[in-house]
Amino acid sequence: ETGVTQTPRHLVMGMTNKKSLKCEQHLGHNAMYWYKQSAKKPLELMFVYSLEERVENNSVPSRFSPECPNSSHLFLHLHTLQPEDSALYLCASSPGLAVSYNEQFFGPGTRLTVL
Amino acid sequence: GQQVMQIPQYQHVQEGEDFTTYCNSSTTLSNIQWYKQRPGGHPVFLIQLVKSGEVKKQKRLTFQFGEAKKNSSLHITATQTTDVGTYFCAGRLTGGGNKLTFGTGTQLKVEL
Repeated sequence: ETGVTQTPRHLVMGMTNKKSLKCEQHLGHNAMYWYKQSAKKPLELMFVYSLEERVENNSVPSRFSPECPNSSHLFLHLHTLQPEDSALYLCASSPGLAVSYNEQFFGPGTRLTVL
Repeated sequence: GQQVMQIPQYQHVQEGEDFTTYCNSSTTLSNIQWYKQRPGGHPVFLIQLVKSGEVKKQKRLTFQFGEAKKNSSLHITATQTTDVGTYFCAGRLTGGGNKLTFGTGTQLKVEL
C-alpha cells in the first residue's frame, strides 16, 4: 500500500538531537493522526488534525511538536527526547471529519531509537 | 483511566483450529473497529460495528458487538497461517472525547 507514506523508516538519535518525522497521505483524506506504539502497550494516540487544525492533543510532552501545513502532510518534530520515547511512530489518515467513526489508514511507521 | 482490554494477550493455535479474541471496555462504546497488524507491519482496518448486538461476517471472521456496547469479539474459524498477527479493537469511549481508543491487542500465532 502506498496511500500513507512515512519517512524515515528508521531513525536513531541522541537525546540532544533535533529531528523530524514526515507523513504524507495520497488519499484525499481530511484527518491525520500520530500514534506511538511501544512494546507491550496499546497504540497511544498523540495528536489528531482535522482540516489542518489540531483537534486532539493527548497530553503529549512538549518535546514532541506536530505540524500540519496542509491536509496531505503531517510532521512530528522531536527534540531532547528520552530513551523511553523509543518506539514505532505511526501516522494515519481518515476520510471525513468524524474522526472516531472513520476507518483509519496507517502508514508503515518510523522505528525510533533514542540513545 | 478509561481502558480497553483484550484477552487473551497471546494465543498459539494449530492450523485449522478456531480462535477468539475478546475486547472489553470500562465504559460504553459508541462504535467498535477491528484492525490486524502483521509482524513488522502496520495496523490494517478490518471492520466497524456500531449497533448493539450487531454481528458481521467476513469469510472465516465473525465480529460481534455486545448488547451493552461494552464488549466485542472476533472469532476466526479454521485458522490459517495467513491469520498470524496482532488483532486490535478500537472504539470511541463515552466521555472519552472524539477519538478512538485502541485495545491492548491479541497476538495470534498459527502453527502447522
